[in-house]
Amino acid sequence: GAGVSQSPSNKVTEKGKDVELRCDPISGHTALYWYRQSLGQGLEFLIYFQGNSAPDKSGLPSDRFSAERTGGSVSTLTIQRTQQEDSAVYLCASSTQTGGRGEQYFGPGTRLTVT
Amino acid sequence: AQSVTQLDSQVPVFEEAPVELRCNYSSSVSVYLFWYVQYPNQGLQLLLKYLSGSTLVKSINGFEAEFNKSQTSFHLRKPSVHISDTAEYFCAVRPSGGSQGNLIFGKGTKLSVKP
Repeated sequence: GAGVSQSPSNKVTEKGKDVELRCDPISGHTALYWYRQSLGQGLEFLIYFQGNSAPDKSGLPSDRFSAERTGGSVSTLTIQRTQQEDSAVYLCASSTQTGGRGEQYFGPGTRLTVT
Repeated sequence: AQSVTQLDSQVPVFEEAPVELRCNYSSSVSVYLFWYVQYPNQGLQLLLKYLSGSTLVKSINGFEAEFNKSQTSFHLRKPSVHISDTAEYFCAVRPSGGSQGNLIFGKGTKLSVKP
């Protein structure tokens, strides 16, 4: 079956511009996660959604970052007024259940470069 | 809060030699433990996990990891590596109770297998 997909695969933007990154989770997965992978920082949790519950935004690094999940499926991560330190690979993952045992399946990522 | 330490950022090894990738964690609550692998230009894949039961867990491609609660470790081992094992390996934890769903990752270990 289809895995987690993300678009675009690569995005180059100028400092100060806004960007939107998209994630299509595996069908039927109720939990969706965003992570960021950058040199020197490793993999950092950003935000996660579980069903209709309020999202856990505890990992968002600043108020320039926001995310939404429409209809319990597709999610969009928005970065406003991008900065060079936002350059990273943004990974999306989904799972059938939150917490504990549910395996997270990762997408291929979006490589964001801010010039 | 939880944290994960992977002491070795890079591990070079010759083909058919044994390898151990070290992982230590810190947590005030019980956790589940995971190893993820990222092959060059690919996404993250789950390699193996410890949820409960036997402290020794194995993957289908010959890796194994042992959960040691007293030493708070989950080291990854393989008795004989192949060129195809060249990848970056990430250790991760997640609380076994509660609603926290996100993984907390170490900074990764790059395994380089040389002929």
